[in-house]
Amino acid sequence: EPEVTQTPSHQVTQMGQEVILRCVPISNHLYFYWYRQILGQKVEFLVSFYNNEISEKSEIFDDQFSVERPDGSNFTLKIRSTKLEDSAMYFCASSGEGLGTGELFFGEGSRLTVL
Amino acid sequence: KNQVEQSPQSLIILEGKNCTLQCNYTVSPFSNLRWYKQDTGRGPVSLTIMTFSENTKSNGRYTATLDADTKQSSLHITASQLSDSASYICVVSRQGSTLGRLYFGRGTQLTVWP
Repeated sequence: EPEVTQTPSHQVTQMGQEVILRCVPISNHLYFYWYRQILGQKVEFLVSFYNNEISEKSEIFDDQFSVERPDGSNFTLKIRSTKLEDSAMYFCASSGEGLGTGELFFGEGSRLTVL
Repeated sequence: KNQVEQSPQSLIILEGKNCTLQCNYTVSPFSNLRWYKQDTGRGPVSLTIMTFSENTKSNGRYTATLDADTKQSSLHITASQLSDSASYICVVSRQGSTLGRLYFGRGTQLTVWP
């Protein structure tokens, strides 16, 4: 069964460092998303991405965040200068449709710990 | 404000028993409501998706209901199994937003004991 894969599974970094989280969406999907889940809290939407541009973003997705599809398979989330409060599980997801009731497939997550 | 609230926060049941989880939302205008199962440290996995016109949807031992008038949904699990132990998350989307622009509840942590 096709799946969304994420790397690394866990990353520890120092405050102020740049971090890149990588995702390989399901191969025929065209819509990609990032979410974060701070420990013990609800999952929060960060950004939607389609056709090499951001479709929608939340208020959390500020200038320190960026997303990119550098090639035909990877979808990345970059955090420019990490803060302690960026410590969270980051989930990538993809879908074959951009609107409505299409199925959304999540990866297993990348746990980011900022020290 | 677009909110999704779930109850109870946590629930413990014995294997083989049934349970019902609740979800109330204020997300508007409503597009669809999803229930996800999330094992600890893993990504959410879809159980059901319902639109405005659907009152009930089943997926094996999981049955979701939706009352769009009162903005309430429930997830009923029958004949629970140990593997049902997980967080169950209610997720709502708005009309006009991208598919992945979702509003998540905090989840109900279900523990099934033998």
